[in-house]
Amino acid sequence: KQEVTQIPAALSVPEGENLVLNCSFTDSAIYNLQWFRQDPGKGLTSLLLIQSSQREQTSGRLNASLDKSSGRSTLYIAASQPGDSATYLCAVRGGSYIPTFGRGTSLIVHP
Amino acid sequence: DAGVIQSPRHEVTEMGQEVTLRCKPISGHNSLFWYRQTMMRGLELLIYFNNNVPIDDSGMPEDRFSAKMPNASFSTLKIQPSEPRDSAVYFCASTPRGLGANTEAFFGQGTRLTVV
Repeated sequence: KQEVTQIPAALSVPEGENLVLNCSFTDSAIYNLQWFRQDPGKGLTSLLLIQSSQREQTSGRLNASLDKSSGRSTLYIAASQPGDSATYLCAVRGGSYIPTFGRGTSLIVHP
Repeated sequence: DAGVIQSPRHEVTEMGQEVTLRCKPISGHNSLFWYRQTMMRGLELLIYFNNNVPIDDSGMPEDRFSAKMPNASFSTLKIQPSEPRDSAVYFCASTPRGLGANTEAFFGQGTRLTVV
């Protein structure tokens, strides 16, 4: 059974810092990995999708990498802003076709 | 497209009552997922449909929970009778046709259920 772990569970940083959020998974036989953002009381917003054959994806200040063989992905946030404060979730889709989620990293960026 | 649409957004009900949550997936998507999110357990898959057929319902907590997908554009999750421990946010998600690497999952805004 696929297990997904996200580290750290919580992070509080001053505005402007570059951040790295980590996601690890136990079964490397995946189709893709997706990073989401969730604001308090809201739904999940897709940030980036990395296909199993890809090494990284970029969108604006966000860059996600994937090392399938080691079962790891990182989400890099450049020049963090208070508006980046949210919970970040990664989801892995493998042979069962079911997106399996980590518990998320709760990020606070203070001015 | 309007995205995945869930209703109601909020539901408050008394213990023992029947609750029905609704989901309209994105048109053309053939896979639909129901998740439950709590502080204690995070996001848990309840049930997964592919082409309107339930494929994996191993996450459904007990017989009080049931889900249907009568057609490609509508699904329901029913709890009967409801209990306070069912209080959570319930999300519906859909993915496009095919199960390959580029199938991105899209989520609805969720239904916040409170059972008192």
